[in-house]
Formats: sequence, C-alpha cells, structure tokens
Amino acid sequence: QVQLQESGPGLVKPSQTLSLTCTVSGGSIRSGSYYWSWIRQPAGKGLEWIGRIYPSGSTHYNPSLESRVTISVDMSKNQFSLKLSSVAAADTAVYYCARVLNSDDGGADYWGQGTLVTVSS
Amino acid sequence: DIQMTQSPSSLSASVGDRVTITCRASQSISTYLNWYQQRPGKAPKFLIYAASRLQSGVPSRFSGSGSGTDFTLTITSLQPEDFATYYCQHSGSFSWTFGQGTKVEIK
Repeated sequence: QVQLQESGPGLVKPSQTLSLTCTVSGGSIRSGSYYWSWIRQPAGKGLEWIGRIYPSGSTHYNPSLESRVTISVDMSKNQFSLKLSSVAAADTAVYYCARVLNSDDGGADYWGQGTLVTVSS
Repeated sequence: DIQMTQSPSSLSASVGDRVTITCRASQSISTYLNWYQQRPGKAPKFLIYAASRLQSGVPSRFSGSGSGTDFTLTITSLQPEDFATYYCQHSGSFSWTFGQGTKVEIK
C-alpha cells in the first residue's frame, strides 16, 4: 500500500521560504508510471495545484506561483520536496503531496494526510 | 488558462436521493476531467478519471459523463458517507486546474 507523508515546519515567517518534504513508502518514486505533485488548500477554500515533478527531475509549476516555487526529488530517500519563497499570509494553507498516474488523463490516486502551514510573524 | 466552473456551489439532499453536479470548462478539454471527493478534515479521494472511468474501489453509485466543455458527476442513491465536497479537475495540460467545489449537505 502506497503511503505519502508530508513533513516540515508548521509556522513560517512572512518573506521567508516554506520548505516541505513528502516521504513515499510502499512504492518507488523512481517509477516512470507516476509523477509527484503538490497541492494546497487554504482554510475553507478550494484546492490549488502548485506543481509536479517527474522521476527524471522535469517540473511544471502553476503559472501564478512559478516565480516562487521549486520542487525537487531525492531518489535515495524516496522523497520529493517543495520550496515556496517570499511567503505571505495568503500562503497559509494545508499542503498536500500526491501521486499521479503519468498519463494525460491521470489523476492523483494517493495523497498525504496534509500538513498545515501558517505564515505569521 | 482553462477555467473550471462547478454548479451548484452547494446542495442539500437526503439519503437515497439522486444527485447531479455539473462542471464546465472554459474551452474544450476532450475527456481530460477527473473528480474527487473530500470529507471534512481529510485529503481528497480520487473518484473518476477520463470523465467517466471509475477509479478502482469506488462504489458503482458514482458515475461521470461528458466531453468537451460540459461534464457531470452523478451519485445515485446518496449514502451518509457521501456527504462531502466534490471537485472536478482538468488534467490534460501542463497546468492543472480545479473547480471551486460543490458541497453536498444533509437536508
């Protein structure tokens, strides 16, 4: 059974960089059948896609966040990570990592439980 | 960017009711449309991919249809565990977009 677990600081100061890691168990992050995504959800609001990374290291980002986002992968640890720079209160949200089937109609079939990140001084 | 618009934003229904949620894309997306269910405090659950294909393990009372710009998610005979928020999501481009969600509440 594939499991994903987000980890990282729950509180980040404004203008600093938010850093989260997603640890994948029960499956290899190297598998070309899948890619890996970050999605966030402010309290009481809808889902916002942040970006994705393929096992090759290739990435795609939400155009509205692209200038501040970096997603990377660590094959040796079976992890992928999110960095979001210059954060503000609007970046306060539950952040989810997810596995996505690598096809045009692929969806996110496994999700982490989510981790709340609050941006506040 | 392709925008996804769901309707209604919320609805009230009773156990056993048939429920239909609509998702409209701002331009044609063929059948690159997925549906998710999210219960309060939980991560989304993947229900349907390619507009109409049921994800493994999802009850058959859930079904999806549509292509191009107009899509529907139907729940026949609503069960207590189905009271949740449902999101559509466009998958067929470099950038994903989600609908704003439809909350299904108990009448």
